[in-house]
Parts: sequence; C-alpha cells; structure tokens
Amino acid sequence: NAGVTQTPKFQVLKTGQSMTLQCAQDMNHEYMSWYRQDPGMGLRLIHYSVGAGITDQGEVPNGYNVSRSTTEDFPLRLLSAAPSQTSVYFCASSPKLATHYEQYFGPGTRLTVT
Amino acid sequence: GQSLEQPSEVTAVEGAIVQINCTYQTSGFYGLSWYQQHDGGAPTFLSYNALDGLEETGRFSSFLSRSDSYGYLLLQELQMKDSASYFCAPEGYNKLIFGAGTRLAVHP
Repeated sequence: NAGVTQTPKFQVLKTGQSMTLQCAQDMNHEYMSWYRQDPGMGLRLIHYSVGAGITDQGEVPNGYNVSRSTTEDFPLRLLSAAPSQTSVYFCASSPKLATHYEQYFGPGTRLTVT
Repeated sequence: GQSLEQPSEVTAVEGAIVQINCTYQTSGFYGLSWYQQHDGGAPTFLSYNALDGLEETGRFSSFLSRSDSYGYLLLQELQMKDSASYFCAPEGYNKLIFGAGTRLAVHP
C-alpha cells in the first residue's frame, strides 16, 4: 500500500491563480480530511468527507472547495489564491467514520502564494 | 466555543520522563488523541483515550479525565528521536481539533 499520497510536494502560485491539490489513498478509508498548518498555529481543519459524495466544512473552509467522487480521491481546490493561503497542506484518511481511529497523514504540500 | 491549551515548549534530558498537559473545551467531546510530528514531517498517531484513565503504549502513556477536561501525554526513557512537536486533539463529531502543539527538545 502506498498509504496517503499528495501531489505536488511544492507549489508556488501568483495571487489570483487557481489550482488543485491532489490527495489519494489506497486503504479503502471512508473518512478523509484536509488540514492546513501555519507556524505556531497547529493544524486547522479545512474540509472533510465521510464517504464518496459527502463533504462538509471544517474550521477554515473559505477560499477552498472539495469534492469526493470516489473513495480513493479527495482533491482540494483553491479558487483564487491569496497570500494568506501560503501554508503546508496535509491530507489525512481514517478507516472509520469516527475520527478517533488513527488518521493517516500524507507527506504534505508546501504552497507559497506571492 | 472551543479552546485548547498545551505548553508551547518543553525541554528534557535523555533518559528522563516528561509530561505534556492538555486542557480543552469543545462542544461535543468523544475522546482525546495525541499525535507526534517531527520537523518537516507529517503528524503520526500516538494514542487515543475514550474513557477516563491511563492508556499505555510502550514508552508512551496517555491519560484522560473527562470531568476535568484534561489529559496528558507521558513520555518515559526519553530518547533524542523523541524531539518533535506533540499535539493533543480532542475529538468532536466527525472532527479532530488540533492546537498549536508542544515542542519537545531532548538534550544529551
């Protein structure tokens, strides 16, 4: 199993550009989520999904869209990038709907918006 | 509302024991998880407490008191590789809430 994979590893965008961060897992996990991590602020939940076709907002959803058309993939779309979205983005998955099961994190995408 | 408090930094020497405390306030609480993150890496799961009491996993133990909204992570026989950030994460409905974490520095 590859576990949770994220692409790209690094990305530089200009303000106003859009892009999609890719996340995939091959463990048949139902629960998937996206976090952003800024220095000194820990991890903040952006969006999550409890199964294909079902998504919901986390703490900081503004400026981001998600979809879950398959169990394996959970892409995160930045609609119009802003410097405030400069961060490290982590995707995570969990085998059950309840988040107390171990969440497996991907390696992260380091995004810089200029 | 919700809030989460952990010490920002802890320093200890190899072989020692260190305790990282966590107090939380969340709407709808199911349990408390702990994660470890090395610099430049991804968080990895350490433990989960659903009920009051102590859970032990090797050198690491985690404690929860639901009535006090309090938990701690106990690391024994510290090793240099334990230098990392540690996050407590209360579980709400379908969500984990992470705080800013505690940076642990282990010295020889």
